[in-house]
Parts: sequence; C-alpha cells; structure tokens
Amino acid sequence: GAVVSQHPSRVICKSGTSVKIECRSLDFQATTMFWYRQFPKQSLMLMATSNEGSKATYEQGVEKDKFLINHASLTLSTLTVTSAHPEDSSFYICSALDRGKYTGELFFGEGSRLTVL
Amino acid sequence: GEDVEQSLFLSVREGDSSVINCTYTDSSSTYLYWYKQEPGAGLQLLTYIFSNMDMKQDQRLTVLLNKKDKHLSLRIADTQTGDSAIYFCAERDAGNMLTFGGGTRLMVKP
Repeated sequence: GAVVSQHPSRVICKSGTSVKIECRSLDFQATTMFWYRQFPKQSLMLMATSNEGSKATYEQGVEKDKFLINHASLTLSTLTVTSAHPEDSSFYICSALDRGKYTGELFFGEGSRLTVL
Repeated sequence: GEDVEQSLFLSVREGDSSVINCTYTDSSSTYLYWYKQEPGAGLQLLTYIFSNMDMKQDQRLTVLLNKKDKHLSLRIADTQTGDSAIYFCAERDAGNMLTFGGGTRLMVKP
C-alpha cells in the first residue's frame, strides 16, 4: 500500500535551535499534506494544511512563523520548528492525500518525536 | 468546529468481541475512518467507510454507520492481545479535513 515516510523519527535539540521534519510520499503524488501535533495521551490536533506550490493554511492558534511549512514538490513537505522551546516537545505526524485513488485516501507517516531540552 | 467523541477506555478478554463507539457532528462527512495507534508509533489505517454506506466488513473488523444518528462503531471479532492499542475514529469533510476523536484505549486481557 501507499507509504508516507517521516524523518527523523526522533530528534533531541537544545532550546533556541531549529528542527526540520520531512514528510515524503513514497509511491504517490500528494498535492495536499497535513501536519498534526499529538500531546501525550491525547488526540491529534491539526496544525496546518500544506498544498504543493502554495502557502500553507494554518489552524487557529498555530503560529506560522514558529512552525514553517514548505511543500516544494508533489512528494515532499517539511515542517521546521524555529527557535524551539521545551513546550514545543511533542509528537508530530504528517499525512498525505493520495488523490490518485478513488477514495482520495489519507496516509499517515510514522511520526516524529521532538524533545527540546 | 466539528466534534468527534469517543469513550476513553475499553477492556475485553482475549477471544471476545470488542466494540468501540464514536459519535460525530458534521452532517457533511464524506468518509469516516478508524485508525490504530500503538505506543510511540504513528497511525495505521484500519478501515474506512463511505458516508452513504451503513456497513463494511473486512476480516475481523466490522464498521457500522448510522448516518441519521451520526454514530460509528468498530467491532473487532476474536480480539487478540495484539489488538491492544489506541483506536481513533475520524471524520473527513468535503474539504478533505480530518477531525479526530480523542481515542479509545483498548486493553485486551489474556
């Protein structure tokens, strides 16, 4: 089946540094990708919708200057957490929409766990 | 915004059936999904149902949809210890946005 790959799966960084997380659709073109954040023992919160070749659409309360999203190609979207702080520590998950399938299925990456010291 | 609700916890014995329930509010839902999440892992799509269907069966999984009551359920037959995980239902609107429920933690006792 379709696969979405996220990298890195785990990252630890110092406060004040920036971290980039990649989301790739491996065997389909994804014109739309979604970025979610999941706090421990909680559900997924949609952060932003990323459309290839255009600016991301951020959900209310998500700082676009803090969480930079770039969707430069049909198979890659990146999330950069800028000037990370401990409160940004979380599990970040991307999903990609396979428009080529009848159902337009959404496939999720394995997630990236960010720990900011 | 739209809302999706699930019960927090379900405990069953190995071999029994598990039924996880979900309610949603969006009347324009196109698809409804069930995802499984194991500790520290991403989401695994288990099954989905189109909003104009009322039932879908896939091996041990049976999804029932009552569109009038906006109620979705996932039945797992012959539940195994490997089924222990958190199960999320999600509804997708016409704009392809997913809204997730809070997740139901399924614990399977041997």
